[in-house]
Amino acid sequence: AQSVAQPEDQVNVAEGNPLTVKCTYSVSGNPYLFWYVQYPNRGLQFLLKYITGDNLVKGSYGFEAEFNKSQTSFHLKKPSALVSDSALYFCAVRDSLKAAGNKLTFGGGTRVLVKP
Amino acid sequence: EAGVVQSPRYKIIEKKQPVAFWCNPISGHNTLYWYLQNLGQGPELLIRYENEEAVDDSQLPKDRFSAERLKGVDSTLKIQPAELGDSAVYLCASSLQGRLGTDTQYFGPGTRLTVL
Repeated sequence: AQSVAQPEDQVNVAEGNPLTVKCTYSVSGNPYLFWYVQYPNRGLQFLLKYITGDNLVKGSYGFEAEFNKSQTSFHLKKPSALVSDSALYFCAVRDSLKAAGNKLTFGGGTRVLVKP
Repeated sequence: EAGVVQSPRYKIIEKKQPVAFWCNPISGHNTLYWYLQNLGQGPELLIRYENEEAVDDSQLPKDRFSAERLKGVDSTLKIQPAELGDSAVYLCASSLQGRLGTDTQYFGPGTRLTVL
């Protein structure tokens, strides 16, 4: 069965410093990987996805993520964090195998707090 | 372009009462999803529609939950009767299916249900 792990419940970072949110996954086929952000009382907003090709994916609001097949990871990064980046971040994975049912599985989320 | 629309945004009911949630997906999106999100956790799929067909309802508690997507556009999720444990946020998402598994799901703002 496919799964996603976000090992950190919360990440604290000072404004202007680099931000990294960790994600590891497990699938039987090839992974299709997604990052979403959720602000209070809002739905999930799509940030970026990896399907194939370049391991470094650039997305919205200055975020990027690096796919590492050998480490089965897809960490989210931002070179310089803003206070407005404080939110809940979710990593999600789909298995390319049709037998997996085309289901998107989410991690438990990582709360990011950016302090001024 | 309008996003996924959900109503109501908030609903408070007493246990054993019925409740219904409505979702209007992004225009042209053929796939619609209903998710349940408990506080501080990742969304969990309840049901997925491709056009009018429910293609994955394995996680839908069919004794009390029902859903429909008439004409392959709007969808309604119903709970009857509601239980205390149903208190959560119900998210609707939509996507345009292309190559299997590569589509991006776009989420609505959700309906926060409180069962007293």
